[in-house]
Amino acid sequence: GQNIDQPTEMTATEGAIVQINCTYQTSGFNGLFWYQQHAGEAPTFLSYNVLDGLEEKGRFSSFLSRSKGYSYLLLKELQMKDSASYLCACMDSNYQLIWGAGTKLIIKP
Amino acid sequence: IAGITQAPTSQILAAGRRMTLRCTQDMRHNAMYWYRQDLGLGLRLIHYSNTAGTTGKGEVPDGYSVSRANTDDFPLTLASAVPSQTSVYFCASSPISTGGADTQYFGPGTRLTVL
Repeated sequence: GQNIDQPTEMTATEGAIVQINCTYQTSGFNGLFWYQQHAGEAPTFLSYNVLDGLEEKGRFSSFLSRSKGYSYLLLKELQMKDSASYLCACMDSNYQLIWGAGTKLIIKP
Repeated sequence: IAGITQAPTSQILAAGRRMTLRCTQDMRHNAMYWYRQDLGLGLRLIHYSNTAGTTGKGEVPDGYSVSRANTDDFPLTLASAVPSQTSVYFCASSPISTGGADTQYFGPGTRLTVL
């Protein structure tokens, strides 16, 4: 079966660094996406990885290891506005997205 | 209009009633999707359309129907609503038609409660 696992909730301090992990098992693989979703709002695109390695985009970085079925999203210099849910999603062999349940990130001052 | 719009924003519906959720995009994207989002679960695909005139079933299609008469509009219909269809519904679109990894862009969502 297809499965995406990520922690339900994480807490971090403003100004710190946090790493949100995601492991996946899908039928075929056409890339891994990270989305941010603030409470009551729509998901918005953060990053896409299809090759192994680290993709850096400002304060956010995303890493992929295809052999391990593993990804993480790294958030640096945390700000209060980063409090949100972070959704991991894999694109399967049919180019459909399989979504994790999301990680709620709580930022404390 | 910029991006994707959905209507209504929220709705309370009696069980057994028919309801159509509207979705319109102005980005000329080929592909469109309907998801539902429930607490503790990931987004689940209900139906999708890779291009105008075609539709397909996702992971949870039962009780829902869609149509894609043109590029911009992708309405979702609940023929006879049941309480288990209480959820937040998101419409999304992406530029490509078939075969290719592309970013999906989401509308603001419709919060539906079926009593």
